[in-house]
Amino acid sequence: GAVVSQHPSWVICKSGTSVKIECRSLDFQATTMFWYRQFPKQSLMLMATSNEGSKATYEQGVEKDKFLINHASLTLSTLTVTSAHPEDSSFYICSARGSGTRDQETQYFGPGTRLLVL
Amino acid sequence: KQEVTQIPAALSVPEGENLVLNCSFTDSAIYNLQWFRQDPGKGLTSLLLIQSSQREQTSGRLNASLDKSSGRSTLYIAASQPGDSATYLCAVTRGSGTYKYIFGTGTRLKVLA
Repeated sequence: GAVVSQHPSWVICKSGTSVKIECRSLDFQATTMFWYRQFPKQSLMLMATSNEGSKATYEQGVEKDKFLINHASLTLSTLTVTSAHPEDSSFYICSARGSGTRDQETQYFGPGTRLLVL
Repeated sequence: KQEVTQIPAALSVPEGENLVLNCSFTDSAIYNLQWFRQDPGKGLTSLLLIQSSQREQTSGRLNASLDKSSGRSTLYIAASQPGDSATYLCAVTRGSGTYKYIFGTGTRLKVLA
């Protein structure tokens, strides 16, 4: 099956620094990638939709200047948490949707990145 | 606005029991519904995907049904095992072309040996 990786798997940083999280589709081309965040014991909340070569579409309430998304190629999307603060600590999960007819029906999820801001 | 709710929020059962997890959604105009499993601190594992035109899907001990008109889906787990312990999430997509998932609140399952 299709594989999506995330790097790093976990990161601890000081308040005020920026953190970049990578999401890669390893064996398929992902025309669309999605970024979610998950607080402890809560469900996943969609943050933004990222299409290759165009600007990301952010969900209501998500600060686009705070969470910068770049989808530079069909296999890589990055999420940068700028000037991170403790309230940004969360589990960030990406997913990717393929470009083939079959792959369009399913999103493949990455293993997640746990961010802790001190 | 689509809202997805899962009942119960938590469930603890002895090994061997058959289980039913429920998922309800407020807007029946969905494209598909998917059930996922999430282990603590981990990402999501896809279990079953049901297209809006389908009634059910089966994989091993898992069976998922979909009643779009009533806004409900159930995940049936037969002969539960301790390894089934995890959080189960359902998610719906809003329509063809968007592919955005709206996730349910999740059911935390613990199967006791």
